Amino acid sequence: DGGITQSPKYLFRKEGQNVTLSCEQNLNHDAMYWYRQDPGQGLRLIYYSQIVNDFQKGDIAEGYSVSREKKESFPLTVTSAQKNPTAFYLCASSYRPYGYTFGSGTRLTVV
Amino acid sequence: AQSVTQPDIHITVSEGASLELRCNYSYGATPYLFWYVQSPGQGLQLLLKYFSGDTLVQGIKGFEAEFKRSQSSFNLRKPSVHWSDAAEYFCAVGAKGNTGKLIFGQGTTLQVKP
Repeated sequence: DGGITQSPKYLFRKEGQNVTLSCEQNLNHDAMYWYRQDPGQGLRLIYYSQIVNDFQKGDIAEGYSVSREKKESFPLTVTSAQKNPTAFYLCASSYRPYGYTFGSGTRLTVV
Repeated sequence: AQSVTQPDIHITVSEGASLELRCNYSYGATPYLFWYVQSPGQGLQLLLKYFSGDTLVQGIKGFEAEFKRSQSSFNLRKPSVHWSDAAEYFCAVGAKGNTGKLIFGQGTTLQVKP
């Protein structure tokens, strides 16, 4: 079945460490997105990519980086510059404008 | 600026009762509108979407939504709620331009009383 796979499901980060969240899709969607979800704040867009080798900043890109070397993959790196990284991270893809398909999320915790 | 407002942060209904979750949007043209549901610790699942045509849209799990242009609303309804409907519900509007981005409301948490 087609879908989006996010891994790992849980991730722990030490202070000053960079971590990378994986997002892979086999839906042949052109566009992919990363959102951050915090309690009471809904979903906030971090980065998005409409095509391979191109991506744009969303509303809260500071402290994050992405790459889009393959259509299927859109990994998100949470850098040490992100001072409050503890959150639930959601990846999505779309064949616009038909809405998103979401992955099951990665919960990142700073230890 | 485009925005989506879900006025109710929490709603509690009794099992078997009807449900209406409110959504208001700000947009300068005919919008693409969506409702998603999220169970705890999970991703979001699409319930239904509106692009054009019939303003009453049927979705999965017995949900429906009605687009009302004059009120800039896209409220979600279900005639009889089941305990398994307890979750968080998000309304979203497609952003202007051709980016495919969605703008989400803050979400409404639904609690179902037995």
